[in-house]
Amino acid sequence: SQQGEEDPQALSIQEGENATMNCSYKTSINNLQWYRQNSGRGLVHLILIRSNEREKHSGRLRVTLDTSKKSSSLLITASRAADTASYFCATATHVGGGADGLTFGKGTHLIIQP
Amino acid sequence: ETGVTQSPTHLIKTRGQQVTLRCSSQSGHNTVSWYQQALGQGPQFIFQYYREEENGRGNFPPRFSGLQFPNYSSELNVNALELDDSALYLCASSGQGLSYEQYFGPGTRLTVT
Repeated sequence: SQQGEEDPQALSIQEGENATMNCSYKTSINNLQWYRQNSGRGLVHLILIRSNEREKHSGRLRVTLDTSKKSSSLLITASRAADTASYFCATATHVGGGADGLTFGKGTHLIIQP
Repeated sequence: ETGVTQSPTHLIKTRGQQVTLRCSSQSGHNTVSWYQQALGQGPQFIFQYYREEENGRGNFPPRFSGLQFPNYSSELNVNALELDDSALYLCASSGQGLSYEQYFGPGTRLTVT
């Protein structure tokens, strides 16, 4: 079963605009990670935010985490055509031995119109 | 591009057959995880190997099995293939387990007819 749910399922914006995607999850987490996937290929790690962090930046990416609401958001600023992809949030609930694996949502499909 | 490679790229098998998928982890990584991604869905955790032993398992039946070798490369074996096993199979390696980012390979697309 999938813990996370991304919202919206699909998003289409003009190049240069900002894109915001949200993720909700159900159980307590160790960290939350965002990944990008192009056309059914492998996933690329974008950013990891730990449960004791509230906000993190990486280049044009900004991630927030609200553990009280069990939610996270990913903001991509000044979008580019190359940002067109599916974006997934993934939660890690275990550290070290007895790993539970990353739990992914269904993803947000982002389309950047040139 | 990550240093994780998978083979083959695509595979077509018949229901009831067996399949082996392979993964070479990124240099220095001792943990490998396998995921199944059905069309339009997010990846689902199958299992993880750490230093050649299964370290955790998702909700998959025993006909999904794996191995990790001393060089930390890994295999995923699926017996008695079913039509619903058609999916993209992804492996991911990391050096420190799930507290750190996972490096994914490009995946193997399995079609069961």
